[in-house]
Amino acid sequence: DAGVTQSPTHLIKTRGQQVTLRCSPKSGHDTVSWYQQALGQGPQFIFQYYEEEERQRGNFPDRFSGHQFPNYSSELNVNALLLGDSALYLCASSFFQQIYGYTFGSGTRLTVV
Amino acid sequence: AQTVTQSQPEMSVQEAETVTLSCTYDTSESDYYLFWYKQPPSRQMILVIRQEAYKQQNATENRFSVNFQKAAKSFSLKISDSQLGDAAMYFCAYRNGGANSKLTFGKGITLSVRP
Repeated sequence: DAGVTQSPTHLIKTRGQQVTLRCSPKSGHDTVSWYQQALGQGPQFIFQYYEEEERQRGNFPDRFSGHQFPNYSSELNVNALLLGDSALYLCASSFFQQIYGYTFGSGTRLTVV
Repeated sequence: AQTVTQSQPEMSVQEAETVTLSCTYDTSESDYYLFWYKQPPSRQMILVIRQEAYKQQNATENRFSVNFQKAAKSFSLKISDSQLGDAAMYFCAYRNGGANSKLTFGKGITLSVRP
């Protein structure tokens, strides 16, 4: 049973560019959440998708947007990249009605130069 | 807004010894859940242990146990018989009750285990 799969694992982008990160949830999960983890910090909640809609959003600018597809996979898009967007981006999947059972992927390391 | 504070950035423990990692949180909610996650160099967050706020009994999972002090809003993790594989970053996390609530993490603590 596959866990959460994120791609790519590493990415280097230039300031001002746009990036798309991808996440495939664990089989049976219908909800995807995205977190940004800066170096030496804890993960910060970006947003959550369920039924192809953004359900919750953290304190991130509109440059951060997302999408969920009918097969529950998700994308995170970041426009107009800043140096401060360099971080590990973690995807976590879960079943909407469950309190527990978050499964995290291994993340995408984004470096903005 | 809920906050989670981990004030110790680093800790070290001798193999086979016991170590306690501290965490405090702030919330006005009565229905919530607390977690400890482990993040090894592979970067994947792994759930170590969880605690429901409505339960008075402290959670235990093999060598891992918590000391949950609800009135003090304290949630510490005790690792007994430390092993080399326990070396990692550990994050304390909070979640409100109800469906689709987000996780709020502390800054984490780096645990090293000396052979």
